[in-house]
Amino acid sequence: AQTVTQSQPEMSVQEAETVTLSCTYDTSESDYYLFWYKQPPSRQMILVIRQEAYKQQNATENRFSVNFQKAAKSFSLKISDSQLGDAAMYFCAYRSMNYGGSQGNLIFGKGTKLSVKP
Amino acid sequence: DAGITQSPRYKITETGRQVTLMCHQTWSHSYMFWYRQDLGHGLRLIYYSAAADITDKGEVPDGYVVSRSKTENFPLTLESATRSQTSVYFCASTAGTAPGNTIYFGEGSWLTVV
Repeated sequence: AQTVTQSQPEMSVQEAETVTLSCTYDTSESDYYLFWYKQPPSRQMILVIRQEAYKQQNATENRFSVNFQKAAKSFSLKISDSQLGDAAMYFCAYRSMNYGGSQGNLIFGKGTKLSVKP
Repeated sequence: DAGITQSPRYKITETGRQVTLMCHQTWSHSYMFWYRQDLGHGLRLIYYSAAADITDKGEVPDGYVVSRSKTENFPLTLESATRSQTSVYFCASTAGTAPGNTIYFGEGSWLTVV
C-alpha cells in the first residue's frame, strides 16, 4: 500500500520570502500522480499543483513549484514571495495510475500548517 | 451554480442517532468519494463509488453506510453515531478514470456527536 509522509507539522515564513514544504512517499508503482492541496481556515480543499511521475520536468504554477525527486520518492513544494493568503494547511497527496477499486482515490499525508508572518 | 455541495454544513447530534450527510454534484462525474478529516490524520477515505449503484469500502468504513441510486448524489449515513465519528466530512468527485483528472471537493460537513 502507498503511504505519504509530511514530516513538518508546522512551518513559518516571513512575508515575501520563500518556504519549502517537504513530502515523501512510498510506492512500488512506476507511474502515479502527486498533488499538493491547500486548505485555508475555511476548510475548502484547493488544488495547488500536480505532477505526473513519468514527467521529469518539475511542475510550476505561478509562485508555486515542486522539486520532484522520483528515485528518492520526494515531492517538496516551494512557495516563492510568500503572501499572507498563503497561510493554510498544505496536504501532499498520491494517486495511483492503476485506476481500479479504491486505488483511484487520493492518499493524503497528515499535512503541514503554514503560517505567514507580516 | 454548478459544483459539488454538501449538506448540512454543520450538525450536532447525540450518540446513537442516525445521521445522513448529503452530497450532490452537477457535473455528472462518475466517481465520488467520502473522506473524513481528523486532527493528526489528514483525510482518510471512508467509501467511494465508481458509478451509480456501485460502491465500495475505503480505509475507514466501519459505522458508515452509503448509497448511490443517482449519479449526482452520494449520501453518507452514520447508522448509530458515536463520539469517535465527530469529524469534518468531505465529499469529492472526479470525471472518468484518468488519474490526472482533478478531484473536486465539497466545502465539508462539520459533525459533532455528543
